[in-house]
Amino acid sequence: DAGVIQSPRHEVTEMGQEVTLRCKPISGHDYLFWYRQTMMRGLELLIYFNNNVPIDDSGMPEDRFSAKMPNASFSTLKIQPSEPRDSAVYFCASSPILGPYYEQYFGPGTRLTVT
Amino acid sequence: DAKTTQPPSMDCAEGRAANLPCNHSTISGNEYVYWYRQIHSQGPQYIIHGLKNNETNEMASLIITEDRKSSTLILPHATLRDTAVYYCIVSPSGNTPLVFGKGTRLSVIA
Repeated sequence: DAGVIQSPRHEVTEMGQEVTLRCKPISGHDYLFWYRQTMMRGLELLIYFNNNVPIDDSGMPEDRFSAKMPNASFSTLKIQPSEPRDSAVYFCASSPILGPYYEQYFGPGTRLTVT
Repeated sequence: DAKTTQPPSMDCAEGRAANLPCNHSTISGNEYVYWYRQIHSQGPQYIIHGLKNNETNEMASLIITEDRKSSTLILPHATLRDTAVYYCIVSPSGNTPLVFGKGTRLSVIA
């Protein structure tokens, strides 16, 4: 089992550019989560999907952020236009269910630097 | 917002038991206690969870007080590889994703 796969692992871009982060969840997992981690704010939930449908996007910071899940094996998080304050590590996680006996499996993260 | 309180940092000697406390005084009846850890530059990793009974697995033990207002994660024989940030999370049993707080930074010292 390859686990949750994220790409790229590192991204450096200039302010104003579009950034797309990618995630492949574990096969068979119905839930997919996007988190952002910074020193100041810790690990924040941005959005999560169930069976490819967004359930709660209240954590998405602003309209510059968008996430999609076109099929069960792929999700993207897009930032357009990017700003320096978007610099963070972005984690994708997946889970087979959501309930007391589930665990979330996290990917290795994408470290985004916006200059 | 996180519903737990953890010390920001702790040290533990290698080979000794690491006891990480967590206060969750406002926990409600249907909420579980989860523990995750995050080793530097990696994604968080599940350790253990429980409702009201003590739990043990190959990684750790979880001791929950009878009133459920606090718990302790025990790593019985800490190694240098256990150096990480440990998150205690309280979450209901329904369809609710985990909300991470600041956690405890555990340093295992040789």
